[in-house]
Amino acid sequence: KQEVTQIPAALSVPEGENLVLNCSFTDSAIYNLQWFRQDPGKGLTSLLLIQSSQREQTSGRLNASLDKSSGRSTLYIAASQPGDSATYLCAVMEYGNKLVFGAGTILRVKS
Amino acid sequence: GAVVSQHPSWVICKSGTSVKIECRSLDFQATTMFWYRQFPKQSLMLMATSNEGSKATYEQGVEKDKFLINHASLTLSTLTVTSAHPEDSSFYICSARSLQGPAYEQYFGPGTRLTVT
Repeated sequence: KQEVTQIPAALSVPEGENLVLNCSFTDSAIYNLQWFRQDPGKGLTSLLLIQSSQREQTSGRLNASLDKSSGRSTLYIAASQPGDSATYLCAVMEYGNKLVFGAGTILRVKS
Repeated sequence: GAVVSQHPSWVICKSGTSVKIECRSLDFQATTMFWYRQFPKQSLMLMATSNEGSKATYEQGVEKDKFLINHASLTLSTLTVTSAHPEDSSFYICSARSLQGPAYEQYFGPGTRLTVT
């Protein structure tokens, strides 16, 4: 059974700092990996999607990497801003299109 | 494009009553819709997968007689929580997969907060 773990569970950083969020998964037979952002009481916003054949994806200040063989992904946020404060969820898509989510990292960027 | 809506956004109901939550794809047709639930400070757990015109597939441990799912059209799926109890209080989120787009892409709704008193 696929399990997705995210570390740390919570992170508080001063504005402007670069930071890394970690995600690991137990079964490397995945179709893709996605990073989402969730604001309190809201739905999900897709940030980056990495196909299983890819190593990384970038969007603005965000960069996500994928090492499928070791079951790891990282989300790098450059020059963090208070508006980046949210919960960040990592999810792997298994064959059959089922998404398995991690518990998330709660990020707080202090101004 | 690719907008998914949910209605209502929040609902409070009394124990023993039933509540229906709607999930609509507004600008695309969805072959498949997914229903998730999220407890406070926990992640999303897939409850069931529904395909238009056929019965939903429920995940292990999810009671299909309690969580009734209907996917009557390519733009609408409904989740009915029957005989709701306080432990059913949760955040319910749906997602939809487009008929046209990549099979792996799911678009998420804004969620429905259910509180059972």
